[in-house]
Amino acid sequence: AQSVAQPEDQVNVAEGNPLTVKCTYSVSGNPYLFWYVQYPNRGLQFLLKYITGDNLVKGSYGFEAEFNKSQTSFHLKKPSALVSDSALYFCAVRGVQTGANNLFFGTGTRLTVIP
Amino acid sequence: GAGVSQTPSNKVTEKGKYVELRCDPISGHTALYWYRQSLGQGPEFLIYFQGTGAADDSGLPNDRFFAVRPEGSVSTLKIQRTERGDSAVYLCASSKDPVNYEQYFGPGTRLTVT
Repeated sequence: AQSVAQPEDQVNVAEGNPLTVKCTYSVSGNPYLFWYVQYPNRGLQFLLKYITGDNLVKGSYGFEAEFNKSQTSFHLKKPSALVSDSALYFCAVRGVQTGANNLFFGTGTRLTVIP
Repeated sequence: GAGVSQTPSNKVTEKGKYVELRCDPISGHTALYWYRQSLGQGPEFLIYFQGTGAADDSGLPNDRFFAVRPEGSVSTLKIQRTERGDSAVYLCASSKDPVNYEQYFGPGTRLTVT
């Protein structure tokens, strides 16, 4: 079985401050991890992924995420938040069963960047 | 280039009716996925196509739900005898390669069953 947990429903951060959106995962074997962002009335947009290699993954719009195997975490980070980053963020893990390529999503974290 | 498109964007139907939701994936993407997103939740997997065949339909909640992809491109999700609990946003995604590539999502179809 596989799952991800996003422990925070809501994260508030002041514009210009660093932001972190937390995600922990549970999966047997090597995880394939993803972050997506959802803006109002728009589809999910891919931000970044970890499959293998460097633990620090850089993605779109200045976001990055750090894969930590010992803590089973994949937190999303950005050094300086913008008001336009306000959105709903989802962490996801790929299924591990043979032939399973679907994603298992967390419940989402709503990020609000305060001007 | 063109992204994943879904039609209709909104669908309101009465309980017991039949509905079809359409997905046009990104050109050249062989893998296609359907998810369902209820209010306040993350997307939940329904079915995955590789080419024309359903490689994994383990997420379909019951036999009222069915999906096809006859030519390996456009897909249709079909729901028979709709129930109020089917109300959700139905998302379609496609990817170039199901293992190593990210999935690109369409804007979704909001289904409301009255």
